[in-house]
Amino acid sequence: DAGITQSPRHKVTETGTPVTLRCHQTENHRYMYWYRQDPGHGLRLIHYSYGVKDTDKGEVSDGYSVSRSKTEDFLLTLESATSSQTSVYFCATAYATGSKAFFGQGTRLTVV
Amino acid sequence: DQQVKQNSPSLSVQEGRISILNCDYTNSMFDYFLWYKKYPAEGPTFLISISSIKDKNEDGRFTVFLNKSAKHLSLHIVPSQPGDSAVYFCAASAISGGSNYKLTFGKGTLLTVNP
Repeated sequence: DAGITQSPRHKVTETGTPVTLRCHQTENHRYMYWYRQDPGHGLRLIHYSYGVKDTDKGEVSDGYSVSRSKTEDFLLTLESATSSQTSVYFCATAYATGSKAFFGQGTRLTVV
Repeated sequence: DQQVKQNSPSLSVQEGRISILNCDYTNSMFDYFLWYKKYPAEGPTFLISISSIKDKNEDGRFTVFLNKSAKHLSLHIVPSQPGDSAVYFCAASAISGGSNYKLTFGKGTLLTVNP
């Protein structure tokens, strides 16, 4: 499996504070993704990247921004966290179009 | 608008019997489909995939069937084992349309295999 590390694994933060989640991969995969998992909603795509500095929005991108300055790192930022962003966040990578995606272990974020 | 639908939130089967998980999609551009399995507190793991040029793909106990005209796919697990108890996600992508590669997931089905 691809070496995907998400940090932090757990975080509790206050409403209105900025939060950055990090995804690091060691497999030189081209594509990287951020999903959130919520009960009754499955996995929803927030943002994805198809190369260094190339990113695009997913279906639930409002309130989130991303950056990819290096192949191996994909950062997800909540500019001003809200309680609706309490969720489990998963990073995923894929090496090419049509390949399977590998997932990280997830980050549980609680906004109080 | 949900493009990938898993209409059964849960399924319970007896050990040794067949498990059938269903998935429907609405986007006719989807041409590559995957199934993932997820245990609690872990990330999803890839199970099996199928391209739209095929109607069946088999890997051990797992078989995926694709019916393009009905926009429907199913995952068969035979025989089911207690260790198969997990949430199963169906995912789809349009890889030949020239758009960037991204997977759209369904809401998942919780499979429970009873000993």
